[in-house]
Amino acid sequence: QVQLVESGGGVVQPGRFLRLSCAASGFTFSSYAMHWVRQAPGKGLEWVAVISYDGSNKYYADSVKGRFTISRDNSKKTLYLEMSSLRGEDTAVYYCAREDYGEHHFDYWGQGTLVTVSS
Amino acid sequence: QSALTQPASVSGSPGQSITISCTGTSSDVGVYNYVSWYQQHPGKAPKLMIYDVSNRPSGVSNRFSGCKSGNTASLTISGLQPEDEGDYYCSSYTSSSTRVFGTGTKVTVL
Repeated sequence: QVQLVESGGGVVQPGRFLRLSCAASGFTFSSYAMHWVRQAPGKGLEWVAVISYDGSNKYYADSVKGRFTISRDNSKKTLYLEMSSLRGEDTAVYYCAREDYGEHHFDYWGQGTLVTVSS
Repeated sequence: QSALTQPASVSGSPGQSITISCTGTSSDVGVYNYVSWYQQHPGKAPKLMIYDVSNRPSGVSNRFSGCKSGNTASLTISGLQPEDEGDYYCSSYTSSSTRVFGTGTKVTVL
């Protein structure tokens, strides 16, 4: 069965760096685009970034552009999100989500990892 | 990249029908038939309920239906049941190849 498992969350000081991972299993990872979506405590969903199946195309939300980098290692079936210059408003549960080739919706989601930016 | 606009809350009694609207712009909802809807229960990951405006994934009840007119998409839940209570979010593909979510709607079953 399809599984997406996020890791790497925790408490980090403002201005610091953190890297999230999303381990995929149960499907051909290299055939799917992958997204990061976040949700601040008590707030709605916010799309963060997408990477194409082969890593050749990446797009970001304006709120994270220039600070966050999405990447993937298809040999390891793992998605990454490198977050730098972290701010309090980046505090959220971060979900990874799968998007089938040629589609435009998220058909499977991980359970999320909490990132807390605080001094 | 402004969020799509949804009503903050919608409620209905068991068995009734409710509709949640999702208003975007001519750069997202209005130009693409790539609107999807997600259900989220407290502490859980979102679940895909509708994709490409009106298509239901396998396993999703046919009580859930979607449509679109102009810049506004809608999700209708028919025969409302207690387990339908939760938060609902729309999402759209955009002309910048990004995605955007709606502001979210809390559904309450009275």
